[in-house]
Amino acid sequence: SQQGEEDPQALSIQEGENATMNCSYKTSINNLQWYRQNSGRGLVHLILIRSNEREKHSGRLRVTLDTSKKSSSLLITASRAADTASYFCATDGDNNNDMRFGAGTRLTVKP
Amino acid sequence: DTAVSQTPKYLVTQMGNDKSIKCEQNLGHDTMYWYKQDSKKFLKIMFSYNNKELIINETVPNRFSPKSPDKAHLNLHINSLELGDSAVYFCASGGALDTIYFGEGSWLTVV
Repeated sequence: SQQGEEDPQALSIQEGENATMNCSYKTSINNLQWYRQNSGRGLVHLILIRSNEREKHSGRLRVTLDTSKKSSSLLITASRAADTASYFCATDGDNNNDMRFGAGTRLTVKP
Repeated sequence: DTAVSQTPKYLVTQMGNDKSIKCEQNLGHDTMYWYKQDSKKFLKIMFSYNNKELIINETVPNRFSPKSPDKAHLNLHINSLELGDSAVYFCASGGALDTIYFGEGSWLTVV
């Protein structure tokens, strides 16, 4: 069954603005990851946050995790047209061999 | 070098046919996956193998049969193809830090 659910389904912003995407999940996790998918391509790993972490940064990306609310957010600062893609969260539950994804947030950054 | 490679990239076939998609990873990972992405971009896990052993078999019709001859390969064979099987199929492998590495996808169209 689906684990992560991203919100919103679609997001359109202007270049230079910040983009925030949210993810909710249902069961306990060891870690939560965010991936990016360009149109017609495979998914690429962006960042991983472990269940005992609350915030993590990587370049223009900031991820937060609230295990009490079973939710995470991905913030992309100073967005660029090249950030246009779909963004997915993935959780592992109790089994590292069971990575579950949601339907993704489709981000469009207009130049 | 491509980390996770899958072939073919595009496949158009008639209903009722049998087809296979091959996947190979050169990352030395123990875990490999097959995911199906439908037209709404929802990414659903189908199978997970760890060191050639089937770990996860989601509610997938038994027309779909994965085969792992060794831990670097996980092939997907589909019998009696149906229109609803049209989707993008992604092979992936799992790393020691839980990151998943995806292939570029195989676009299957059943006509």
